[in-house]
Amino acid sequence: GAVVSQHPSWVICKSGTSVKIECRSLDFQATTMFWYRQFPKQSLMLMATSNEGSKATYEQGVEKDKFLINHASLTLSTLTVTSAHPEDSSFYICSATRGGDEQFFGPGTRLTVL
Amino acid sequence: GENVEQHPSTLSVQEGDSAVIKCTYSDSASNYFPWYKQELGKRPQLIIDIRSNVGEKKDQRIAVTLNKTAKHFSLHITETQPEDSAVYFCAASMDSNYQLIWGAGTKLIIKP
Repeated sequence: GAVVSQHPSWVICKSGTSVKIECRSLDFQATTMFWYRQFPKQSLMLMATSNEGSKATYEQGVEKDKFLINHASLTLSTLTVTSAHPEDSSFYICSATRGGDEQFFGPGTRLTVL
Repeated sequence: GENVEQHPSTLSVQEGDSAVIKCTYSDSASNYFPWYKQELGKRPQLIIDIRSNVGEKKDQRIAVTLNKTAKHFSLHITETQPEDSAVYFCAASMDSNYQLIWGAGTKLIIKP
């Protein structure tokens, strides 16, 4: 149990376009979902925390108008990178909790912006 | 806010030997301390975790110890094998928001 999926697993897009990444909890209801970004050879950096039906809480330095997060249901959260630029190229990972402290991670999405 | 420091950044050990990775945290309110293994391009994989009401936990070749007074916790891997080669991250969180604060990671290299 506690499986989290992410789609797509990788995406290449042109500079200036928007990209949507989906995060789904497949066999449980996720009370909270987290979005992380990871650059090569670095640790995971928390971007935002989202709870179903409410606005996401963004970490300092993360532009909420650029990284749109929607948590429409207890099993789905989406991250939209708007007007993507090459510096947004990164590995984006979501995680979900089911009420406790353990987080269940999605497989990640590799975004490359040309 | 919470800060987690992790050492060393790289650890190279002979196959069969033990490996120890250490982390310190700053906020005494933190009460959950997971360790993750991450292979290149993959998601972090929880390998062991410990909560603040426990001082030590063991799962086969892997153990974690927690010293709440000193605010540090360590990962111990015994009888290391080539498949243990990966990047290991420690993290800390508290009940108020369950946000994980991550260490910088340790690249573990197992030499044959």
